[in-house]
Amino acid sequence: DTAVSQTPKYLVTQMGNDKSIKCEQNLGHDTMYWYKQDSKKFLKIMFSYNNKELIINETVPNRFSPKSPDKAHLNLHINSLELGDSAVYFCASSPTWGGGETQYFGPGTRLLVL
Amino acid sequence: GESVGLHLPTLSVQEGDNSIINCAYSNSASDYFIWYKQESGKGPQFIIDIRSNMDKRQGQRVTVLLNKTVKHLSLQIAATQPGDSAVYFCAESGNQFYFGTGTSLTVIP
Repeated sequence: DTAVSQTPKYLVTQMGNDKSIKCEQNLGHDTMYWYKQDSKKFLKIMFSYNNKELIINETVPNRFSPKSPDKAHLNLHINSLELGDSAVYFCASSPTWGGGETQYFGPGTRLLVL
Repeated sequence: GESVGLHLPTLSVQEGDNSIINCAYSNSASDYFIWYKQESGKGPQFIIDIRSNMDKRQGQRVTVLLNKTVKHLSLQIAATQPGDSAVYFCAESGNQFYFGTGTSLTVIP
């Protein structure tokens, strides 16, 4: 009965490959997010979706493409992986968009690009 | 964008002592603040929150203080335990959500 789940937990791949990370929340929330956490633990928002619609798209290379098939799922596809993409990627959700609410995080996907 | 920062990137405390983790924010329009705890290998977990119409809120062993005049937020952990060792993030929410840079708390047995 995990609230926000991500797969895979670990992902090791070669430079230039294409990979996807999946996220699902069973909290009934409308809004989902993707964050990137670097080696210094800094959390940077990448994307936010509200009811399957893109709300936030921070300055992220267009090699990163989020997809939300329904409001319980937000997947992240990464094309042509680069060394600098190595990081921990967190999915999160919140009841609605607009601030003033807690975000609930998944366990993270540790991506290592070789 | 606006920034949320922490005064101390690392903090070491003796088991049983109280811990205080500080956070400065710069967006005066933020009206909701949250503290998260991130243990090694896990995602950030909600600890406690506070809205801008309050200046203090208490939970189990944790207290959050908000000083809007100087845009300062703090997390106090009473009787710190080894299980409290983690990275702590403050976050502010107005029309958007911003995380601070994190403070690593180490509890010495």
